[in-house]
Amino acid sequence: GDSVTQMEGPVTLSEEAFLTINCTYTATGYPSLFWYVQYPGEGLQLLLKATKADDKGSNKGFEATYRKETTSFHLEKGSVQVSDSAVYFCALSVDTGGFKTIFGAGTRLFVKA
Amino acid sequence: DGGITQSPKYLFRKEGQNVTLSCEQNLNHDAMYWYRQDPGQGLRLIYYSQIVNDFQKGDIAEGYSVSREKKESFPLTVTSAQKNPTAFYLCASSTSTASSYEQYFGPGTRLTVT
Repeated sequence: GDSVTQMEGPVTLSEEAFLTINCTYTATGYPSLFWYVQYPGEGLQLLLKATKADDKGSNKGFEATYRKETTSFHLEKGSVQVSDSAVYFCALSVDTGGFKTIFGAGTRLFVKA
Repeated sequence: DGGITQSPKYLFRKEGQNVTLSCEQNLNHDAMYWYRQDPGQGLRLIYYSQIVNDFQKGDIAEGYSVSREKKESFPLTVTSAQKNPTAFYLCASSTSTASSYEQYFGPGTRLTVT
């Protein structure tokens, strides 16, 4: 079945370090791919999305490229800040005659000053 | 400001009691969803609704019930039949259930049943 696998956390980085959070997926159709972010005690917010192969989503210095050949959607940021500390969820959504959105387990990021 | 409100933020109940979680949106979205989040896990879909007076079960609907009498409101009832109800509950909405549309989330309700 459809699924999303993302790297386990927590990931701990120093401020200004480079961030990569890996995400791979399996899907029967042609999914849209999303990264959501959850700050402590809050709901999820959309960070970025890509709806077709080779699309690059970007927002707030984060970016991810929809790679159909490797079924991946890795999240990257060149220089993290303390304020980026949060849980990041990779998700896919696919039309299969009905609604289906599947979330990964989440990766917690800690950024140290 | 448009958005989704969930109330209360924290809710405590005794085992065997039904409890209703509120979700209201003023985004004029057609679709609304309820998810359950447990520590270290992703979100799991409980119920969703694409239109007023219609809703469908998600992956873990047992022990839960919903209603959609108004476009803005999608309350979730956690019944005494839900074996492990303690969790963080998230409500979301979207303009459409098409796969390219993102979901907008409320701040969540943390339910503790003892």
